[in-house]
Order: sequence, then C-alpha cells, then structure tokens
Amino acid sequence: GQNIDQPTEMTATEGAIVQINCTYQTSGFNGLFWYQQHAGEAPTFLSYNVLDGLEEKGRFSSFLSRSKGYSYLLLKELQMKDSASYLCAVRDRTNAGKSTFGDGTTLTVKP
Amino acid sequence: DVKVTQSSRYLVKRTGEKVFLECVQDMDHENMFWYRQDPGLGLRLIYFSYDVKMKEKGDIPEGYSVSREKKERFSLILESASTNQTSMYLCASSPRTGGYSNQPQHFGDGTRLSIL
Repeated sequence: GQNIDQPTEMTATEGAIVQINCTYQTSGFNGLFWYQQHAGEAPTFLSYNVLDGLEEKGRFSSFLSRSKGYSYLLLKELQMKDSASYLCAVRDRTNAGKSTFGDGTTLTVKP
Repeated sequence: DVKVTQSSRYLVKRTGEKVFLECVQDMDHENMFWYRQDPGLGLRLIYFSYDVKMKEKGDIPEGYSVSREKKERFSLILESASTNQTSMYLCASSPRTGGYSNQPQHFGDGTRLSIL
C-alpha cells in the first residue's frame, strides 16, 4: 500500500513563496499528483511528476525525488486566492490508476 | 470541457435507509472512483471500477456497495445508512492509465450527506 505524509497547516504572506512537502512510502509508483481544493469545492489538478526533477507551470512548480520518496509543491508570488488545501496523491501501477491521497495541507495566505 | 456530475450537493437521510448516490461522467473514462472526505482523515477510497460491471474494494468498503452498469455512470449505495456515514462523498473519473499517463482524476462537486 501507500503511506503519504504532508504538513497539516501552513501560513504565508501575500507575495511570498511557500513550499509544501510530501513524503511517501509506496509498494508501486506510477506518478505523483498535486491537487488544489478550495473549501466546499472539488479537488482540481495542479501538477504531475513521474520522473525525478522539477516541473514548472506558471507560479506553481513541483519537484520529485523517487529515491527519497519526496515531493514538494512550490507556490510563488502568493495571492489571497491561493488559500486552499493542497493534496498530494501517489498513483499505483494498476490499470485503474488507483491513487492514495495525503490528508492535505491547509494553506492560509495573509495580507 | 471535462465534466463529472453528482446527482445531489446536499442530502439528508435517516438511519437505516438505503441511500443511492449517483455519478455521471461525459469523458468516456474507463476508471471511476468513490471517496469520502472527513476532517483530519483526508480522502479515503471506498470503491473503484476500471470497466463496466467491474468493481474493486478500496480502503473502506464496509457498509457500501457500488454499481457500474454503463460506462458513464457509477453509483454508490449505502445499504443501511448509519450516522457514522455522515460525510462529504466525492466521485472521480480518469482514463485508463497505461505507461506514464499524466492524466489526473477529475472530481465531481461532491455530495454532503447527513444521516440523522
């Protein structure tokens, strides 16, 4: 199975940079996803990593180290609307692509 | 645009009732999933399906069953609702994930179910 750890809460200031870490132990790995979930809404896809290294997409970047079982999501130039929960999810190798989700990190952006 | 539709946003039922939660996707995805989300416990997988009429237990299947008679529709059934099944229920779908597919799961808006 999969075991995923990420911090419960983080606070940052508007305009700053924040890094949300995710560590995992897995019996089979076929990619790591980051999702954003605003309160009362559905999770939405942010980024995907399957090979080691950094993937950049605008203000958001995600990094993966498979040997360390480690990923982070980097958010730059924080905006108030970035206040949300960020979910790390590891997908397994089955055809169904079953994913195990972390409990999420609630990010609060302050003015 | 990708669309996963759950039949109700809010639902209130009584203990012992049989409850049906419906989910429909319009993306021709093979895989569909049902999760519940509770504060402090994250997203937990109840059941999933990788094809029509196929179903697999997730991490917390007790007290639930599912039905997938058509590719686009995946139903979650609470056989005899109990108060500990009060939760947010989320449906998701994704295409078959061969190789290094970067296709994520697409989620519905969720059903907040209260069992009284």
